[in-house]
Amino acid sequence: KQEVTQIPAALSVPEGENLVLNCSFTDSAIYNLQWFRQDPGKGLTSLLLIQSSQREQTSGRLNASLDKSSGRSTLYIAASQPGDSATYLCAVYSGAGSYQLTFGKGTKLSVIP
Amino acid sequence: DAGVTQSPTHLIKTRGQQVTLRCSPKSGHDTVSWYQQALGQGPQFIFQYYEEEERQRGNFPDRFSGHQFPNYSSELNVNALLLGDSALYLCASSFVQVIGVPNEQFFGPGTRLTVL
Repeated sequence: KQEVTQIPAALSVPEGENLVLNCSFTDSAIYNLQWFRQDPGKGLTSLLLIQSSQREQTSGRLNASLDKSSGRSTLYIAASQPGDSATYLCAVYSGAGSYQLTFGKGTKLSVIP
Repeated sequence: DAGVTQSPTHLIKTRGQQVTLRCSPKSGHDTVSWYQQALGQGPQFIFQYYEEEERQRGNFPDRFSGHQFPNYSSELNVNALLLGDSALYLCASSFVQVIGVPNEQFFGPGTRLTVL
């Protein structure tokens, strides 16, 4: 059974800092990995999708990397802003034929002005 | 493009009652998935509908059932509500590009269900 772990559970940084969020998964036979942002009480906003054949994806100040062999992904946020404050969730599709996303519990990020 | 929409936004029910939640997928999408998110947890997969049939199901009891309509919209029904069913219910849509290959999912704003 696939399990996804995100460390740390919460993170507080001053505005302008670069930061890294970590995600690990137990079964390396994943198909895709997707990073989401969730504001309190709201739905999920897709940030980046990394296909299993890719090693990284970039969107603006966000960069996500994927190392399937070690079962790890990182989300790098450059020059953090107060508007980046939210919970960041990592999710994986486990293998061909599986259509469900398995999520971690998320990292709650607070960017202090 | 309106994106994924869900209704209602909030719902309060009592134990033992039944509830129906609704979802309209993003334009061009033909697949709908439902997830349950308890407070402080990541979303848990309930099931996915494609071509009006349940294609895959997570570890949820039969009290949870669904339906997909010809216009690709979907309903989630929960019978005999328990206190533990209180959660944010999220709908996600995607489209089938290649059979057997999961595609990027886009989520709606969710329905907050409170069971008293």
